[in-house]
Amino acid sequence: GAGVSQSPSNKVTEKGKDVELRCDPISGHTALYWYRQSLGQGLEFLIYFQGNSAPDKSGLPSDRFSAERTGGSVSTLTIQRTQQEDSAVYLCASKGPGNYGYTFGSGTRLTVV
Amino acid sequence: DQQVKQNSPSLSVQEGRISILNCDYTNSMFDYFLWYKKYPAEGPTFLISISSIKDKNEDGRFTVFLNKSAKHLSLHIVPSQPGDSAVYFCAAKGGSNFGNEKLTFGTGTRLTIIP
Repeated sequence: GAGVSQSPSNKVTEKGKDVELRCDPISGHTALYWYRQSLGQGLEFLIYFQGNSAPDKSGLPSDRFSAERTGGSVSTLTIQRTQQEDSAVYLCASKGPGNYGYTFGSGTRLTVV
Repeated sequence: DQQVKQNSPSLSVQEGRISILNCDYTNSMFDYFLWYKKYPAEGPTFLISISSIKDKNEDGRFTVFLNKSAKHLSLHIVPSQPGDSAVYFCAAKGGSNFGNEKLTFGTGTRLTIIP
């Protein structure tokens, strides 16, 4: 597609439920990133996929968070047993080879009630 | 450990004047720096970048300056326009895993241009 697409744009869930957030990167982009922005905070790195290499999961805050990228394209970020502190805007970005301009999606605003 | 810091959470500038946004970093291994602009309910959009081998990069009204010895960079916008009102994020690439394409972001500065 023309840009990075994320769905849903908004998600309200009850504490303890699992959620899945989807990211559809720009076609041909080999690198894909997940970040989150909590209220009043900067962008916090979560996980990074590069081609067929093992993902860099160093930013995932707990083992309730996981992500996969199927076929080198679409990625799903899963949060199990959601907590109120998980409320944030989750942003996905992709980048092509040799391109320093990472392109972000519009994000998914997750609210845990 | 906040490796990229934007110490001014907000800035107000008169339309037509110069806006200067500042960013400091602590990791000397960072090799590339980027500025992003973010409007409400939208993802950040890339604005301008600079390699660590340069000290200045200019693109239209936007200029980024890098002072490696001070580990400081700044974004200058001149003349400032109402459409520039947004949150600006400084980001850096590199670090402990050299070659890692992960970006480390600052906390952002909300710029408001006063008409």
